[in-house]
Amino acid sequence: KNEVEQSPQNLTAQEGEFITINCSYSVGISALHWLQQHPGGGIVSLFMLSSGKKKHGRLIATINIQEKHSSLHITASHPRDSAVYICAVRGTSGGSNYKLTFGKGTLLTVNP
Amino acid sequence: DGGITQSPKYLFRKEGQNVTLSCEQNLNHDAMYWYRQDPGQGLRLIYYSQIVNDFQKGDIAEGYSVSREKKESFPLTVTSAQKNPTAFYLCASHPGGTGWGYTFGSGTRLTVV
Repeated sequence: KNEVEQSPQNLTAQEGEFITINCSYSVGISALHWLQQHPGGGIVSLFMLSSGKKKHGRLIATINIQEKHSSLHITASHPRDSAVYICAVRGTSGGSNYKLTFGKGTLLTVNP
Repeated sequence: DGGITQSPKYLFRKEGQNVTLSCEQNLNHDAMYWYRQDPGQGLRLIYYSQIVNDFQKGDIAEGYSVSREKKESFPLTVTSAQKNPTAFYLCASHPGGTGWGYTFGSGTRLTVV
């Protein structure tokens, strides 16, 4: 079982819809990252969370440490939001503290 | 602007040949990483380096080698011993210590024919 599970694997939405992508993890973490990967392959870091909630434009990320769960929300979705969204966690063990464990990603397609 | 440069973006090699993927950063980050991405799978760690002249094997190091002679450079060699080298390879860096931010390169897609 993967230490980081994302759902759904694929998501198709109409422009303007509210999007939620979920991430559950099974290990203790020091931080959780939400990343965006466009078709060209390059990855952009969207959020880094250790508690609570962060907002940037139309994107909102939340994390519940006790439940080992995080969500990424996109409000008023747009076709340019179409991408793969990846959840990654950073562990707490000293020697590997900088290593990330990645989920398999959620492919989001927003249709006009 | 600071960032990570991976080159080339696309690379084709014949089976049995070694190939070296370049990763350069001008962020003054201490830690650098190489990940491999295959369809339907999360990124998997090949090698990482937390300081110059030192590096550690990741989860799938077999068939790969790295060097870290300079802080800004962390090249990855895919050797002929790697059974399935065709994949997308991503380089990343981290400032180290209590720094938060990871920076990712744009990746190199390697196809072995």
